[in-house]
Amino acid sequence: SQTIHQWPATLVQPVGSPLSLECTVEGTSNPNLYWYRQAAGRGLQLLFYSVGIGQISSEVPQNLSASRPQDRQFILSSKKLLLSDSGFYLCAWMRGRARAGANVLTFGAGSRLTVL
Amino acid sequence: AQSVTQLGSHVSVSEGALVLLRCNYSSSVPPYLFWYVQYPNQGLQLLLKYTTGATLVKGINGFEAEFKKSETSFHLTKPSAHMSDAAEYFCAVSPNAGNNRKLIWGLGTSLAVNP
Repeated sequence: SQTIHQWPATLVQPVGSPLSLECTVEGTSNPNLYWYRQAAGRGLQLLFYSVGIGQISSEVPQNLSASRPQDRQFILSSKKLLLSDSGFYLCAWMRGRARAGANVLTFGAGSRLTVL
Repeated sequence: AQSVTQLGSHVSVSEGALVLLRCNYSSSVPPYLFWYVQYPNQGLQLLLKYTTGATLVKGINGFEAEFKKSETSFHLTKPSAHMSDAAEYFCAVSPNAGNNRKLIWGLGTSLAVNP
C-alpha cells in the first residue's frame, strides 16, 4: 500500500529565516506530487506540482520554491520567510499514469508553519 | 475554465438530522468530481468521487453524493449526522483527461453538529 510522510508537523520560525518542508511517498513510482497551502478561511491554494524528477511547475509567484531530487521526494523551501508565509502546508500525491485511481489526491498530515 | 462553488461556508445541523452540503461546478469537459473531508489539524481524506457510470456515489462514513449534469451539481448528503462528522468539507473538480490532473477546489464548508 502507498503511504505519504510529511515533516515537520509543526514549525515556528522567525521572519527572514529559511524553510525546508519534506514530503516522501512510499509504495508507488512516478507519482505526481503537489504542495498546497491552506490559510484560514481561504481554502486550498496550489503552490507547486511536479510530474517527474526535476520537473517543477509553480502556480503562484512567491518567495517559496520546490524541488524534486528523487522520484518520491518533494521539498518545499524558502530562503527568507515572510509573515504571510504562515499557514498549513499540505503535500499530496496522485498516480501519474492514466489509469483507474489516477485522479485521486492523497494527502499528507500537513505541516503547520508559524512565522513570527 | 473550471470552477467550483460551495454554497455556505458554515453549516450547522443537529445530531441525527440530515446533512446537505452544496457544490456546483463549471466545466467545459466531462469532469471528475470529488468530496474530501478535513478534521482539525489533519490532511484531507477522500470521502467519495464520481468519474463515470452511476451518478449516485456512495462514500465512507455514510456519505453519498449525486452527480446532476443538468444542474452542474454534486451535493453531499448524509441521512443522519453524527457528532464525529464535524469537520471541513471540500468539493473539487478535475478534467478527466491528461496526465496532470490538477484539482480545482471549492473554498470549503465547515460542518458543525450540535447535540
